[in-house]
Amino acid sequence: AQSVTQPDIHITVSEGASLELRCNYSYGATPYLFWYVQSPGQGLQLLLKYFSGDTLVQGIKGFEAEFKRSQSSFNLRKPSVHWSDAAEYFCAVGPYIFGNEKLTFGTGTRLTIIP
Amino acid sequence: DVKVTQSSRYLVKRTGEKVFLECVQDMDHENMFWYRQDPGLGLRLIYFSYDVKMKEKGDIPEGYSVSREKKERFSLILESASTNQTSMYLCASTPVGGAYEQYFGPGTRLTVT
Repeated sequence: AQSVTQPDIHITVSEGASLELRCNYSYGATPYLFWYVQSPGQGLQLLLKYFSGDTLVQGIKGFEAEFKRSQSSFNLRKPSVHWSDAAEYFCAVGPYIFGNEKLTFGTGTRLTIIP
Repeated sequence: DVKVTQSSRYLVKRTGEKVFLECVQDMDHENMFWYRQDPGLGLRLIYFSYDVKMKEKGDIPEGYSVSREKKERFSLILESASTNQTSMYLCASTPVGGAYEQYFGPGTRLTVT
């Protein structure tokens, strides 16, 4: 069965500092990988996704993530955070199987930005 | 843009009431999903549907049922609401054919008193 671990429940970062959110997955074959962001009181918005090819993927709002198969990781990064990045971030994994579109989500990392 | 709408943003119900949460998507997606979101637990799949009148249980289906009579609409039903069903409920949709990104509605925060 597939699973996702986000080891950091809460991270606090100063505005302008760099950010890395960790995500480790468990899946026996090639996975689809996603990062979503949830602003307070809102639904989830897709930041970026990895299916295949270049292991460094660019997303919206200046985010990027790197797929490392050897480490089963898909960490999210941003070089300089803005106050508006304060939100909860979810990593998700899905199987590379036609007709099986279920995703498994991590428990989320809440990001706080301090001035 | 894909739009997924949910009938209510906030809902307060009493224990034992029958509760309907409605979700509508406008992109002709085959797959629709219901999740509940609780602090520290992330998103957990309750039910999903891959076609009209078709459904499958997710990870936590107990106490819930679903209905999909039309392709664009997916309803979550709490037959007899209990306080432990107080949660944020999120609906999502995606087209068939691989794990495409899921498009989420804004969520319904349900409080059962």
